[in-house]
Amino acid sequence: EVQLVESGGGLVQPGGSLRLSCAASGFTFSSYWMSWVRQAPGKGLEWVANIKQDGSEKYYVDSVKGRFTISRDNAKNSLYLQMNSLRAEDTAVYYCARLPQANTGPDYWGQGTLVTVSS
Amino acid sequence: AIQMTQSPSSLSASVGDRVTITCRASQGIRNDLGWYQQKPGKAPKLLIYAASSLQSGVPSRFSGSGSGTDFTLTISSLQPEDFATYYCLQDYNYPLTFGQGTKVEIK
Repeated sequence: EVQLVESGGGLVQPGGSLRLSCAASGFTFSSYWMSWVRQAPGKGLEWVANIKQDGSEKYYVDSVKGRFTISRDNAKNSLYLQMNSLRAEDTAVYYCARLPQANTGPDYWGQGTLVTVSS
Repeated sequence: AIQMTQSPSSLSASVGDRVTITCRASQGIRNDLGWYQQKPGKAPKLLIYAASSLQSGVPSRFSGSGSGTDFTLTISSLQPEDFATYYCLQDYNYPLTFGQGTKVEIK
């Protein structure tokens, strides 16, 4: 069974940093593109970033470029999102998701972790 | 960025109704579109990929159609467990973009 479990969310002040993690199991992690998608409270879904199997390709939504970094450790079956210079508008539930192929939408999602940016 | 416009934003329907949700892309995206269902407090669930392919395990009352700029998600006979919010997602190019969502409520 595919499982994705996010962690690392919490309350952080504007301008602060946070690192999200996603532990993957039930599939060969190193064979799949992975993604982060977020959802602000009461709002719709927003794609954040994708990363290729070997980490050689990364893509970001414009609003997080230069502030967020997606990475992975295939030996640990883990996906990460380093978030710097956080803003109030980054407040959201962040979902880790698996992509069945390159340039496709996610097929499996984690349960999400809440990031709140507030003073 | 490609804009995805869903309609309606919300609808009220009864169990057994046929429900249709549309998604329009601001430019042609071939058939690079998926549909997701999300229930309150839960992660989204993939229903349809490549515009019309049913994800494994999804009931056959869900179907998708369309190509280019206009797409449709149809629920042939609405069931109690189908009351949720539905999103389309274009994966034609980056940045990937979602529609704003359609909330299906009980009439």
